[in-house]
Amino acid sequence: AQTVTQSQPEMSVQEAETVTLSCTYDTSESDYYLFWYKQPPSRQMILVIRQEAYKQQNATENRFSVNFQKAAKSFSLKISDSQLGDAAMYFCAYRTGNSGNTPLVFGKGTRLSVIA
Amino acid sequence: EPEVTQTPSHQVTQMGQEVILRCVPISNHLYFYWYRQILGQKVEFLVSFYNNEISEKSEIFDDQFSVERPDGSNFTLKIRSTKLEDSAMYFCASSGIVNYGYTFGSGTRLTVV
Repeated sequence: AQTVTQSQPEMSVQEAETVTLSCTYDTSESDYYLFWYKQPPSRQMILVIRQEAYKQQNATENRFSVNFQKAAKSFSLKISDSQLGDAAMYFCAYRTGNSGNTPLVFGKGTRLSVIA
Repeated sequence: EPEVTQTPSHQVTQMGQEVILRCVPISNHLYFYWYRQILGQKVEFLVSFYNNEISEKSEIFDDQFSVERPDGSNFTLKIRSTKLEDSAMYFCASSGIVNYGYTFGSGTRLTVV
């Protein structure tokens, strides 16, 4: 079974600084997708960024980027120029790519605090 | 931008009562899901639904749970006899293309007393 591990229960960052959240996963599949979701205090799940395993290029969405190391099964999220609104729980998630409706497997999350 | 809509946002129910959580997925999506998040814990998969039948379910999704798409737009989760440990945030999600993350609804907070 696939597992997703987030080893940092909590992180903090100064406003305007950069922070990296770690995620590792375990799978025997070659075709899969990785995601970072943000959960603010409202508890809604918001997709931040996604990465297809077959793509070597790291995904980027504005201030959010990933460092995808397929051999190491590592998928970290970098937040640049951190803003107060970035404070939230961040969940790393994995999904097998060989079926249309495979479930997402989530890590336990990292709570990010942004210090003004 | 299309949204997944969940109602109610918060429901309080007596232990042993039946509850129905409602969701309206994005209209052209084909796959529908329910997830659960107990306070302070990770998000857990309950069930996926495609072509009017359950595709996959987790061990959490026991006989107390059922899902239905009664009218082609709504997608419901029913808990027949709620237990205290069913208290959680329940998220509905839908997806249309395999390589995209799901779109989640804003969740229903279920409190069983």
